[in-house]
Amino acid sequence: DTGVSQDPRHKITKRGQNVTFRCDPISEHNRLYWYRQTLGQGPEFLTYFQNEAQLEKSRLLSDRFSAERPKGSFSTLEIQRTEQGDSAMYLCASSRGRTGVYEQFFGPGTRLTVL
Amino acid sequence: RKEVEQDPGPFNVPEGATVAFNCTYSNSASQSFFWYRQDCRKEPKLLMSVYSSGNEDGRFTAQLNRASQYISLLIRDSKLSDSATYLCVVNAGGSYIPTFGRGTSLIVHP
Repeated sequence: DTGVSQDPRHKITKRGQNVTFRCDPISEHNRLYWYRQTLGQGPEFLTYFQNEAQLEKSRLLSDRFSAERPKGSFSTLEIQRTEQGDSAMYLCASSRGRTGVYEQFFGPGTRLTVL
Repeated sequence: RKEVEQDPGPFNVPEGATVAFNCTYSNSASQSFFWYRQDCRKEPKLLMSVYSSGNEDGRFTAQLNRASQYISLLIRDSKLSDSATYLCVVNAGGSYIPTFGRGTSLIVHP
């Protein structure tokens, strides 16, 4: 399967715990995005990488959230001191290109539940 | 005003009907437009890009109206399998960050 993969698919944690999610993009894609989606809403942008460089972060992104893409391949999203409001689906997407806007391919998401 | 607005619906239509959705955007500098489809509890997938000249793919037609700042999606001869949420996506000029609308839910019934 050469699509975008995410791990884990589901995560249940207690408030205050740290969680880390992983995304493996399509191998030849330079760009990688993280989104958060809650019920009845569209995906909300969190952060974006061009290769290993994190080029943009949402102004809404709390400093409890951090993301890395150390070698320009897979990426991790960490949430520290989770809160109940962090419960959501976390989606990763990748796309090709250095300039221009291209189709994004999404992974199946990680569903986070904070108790 | 939200950057990208969609009527959440649901739009409830019988098989064979024609249905249209609109999506308005607030940034006049927006340059790239897309429709994505999202099935229940699945990830979004690209349905079609929206070009200035319009775009047609089988039963689906997308249009862009820059003067009024909206894009539209028309689905002809609706199928049960068209039931999904349709997400409008807009990129401001020079930005690689897409803004998603909240989606419009379509339910096609027999």
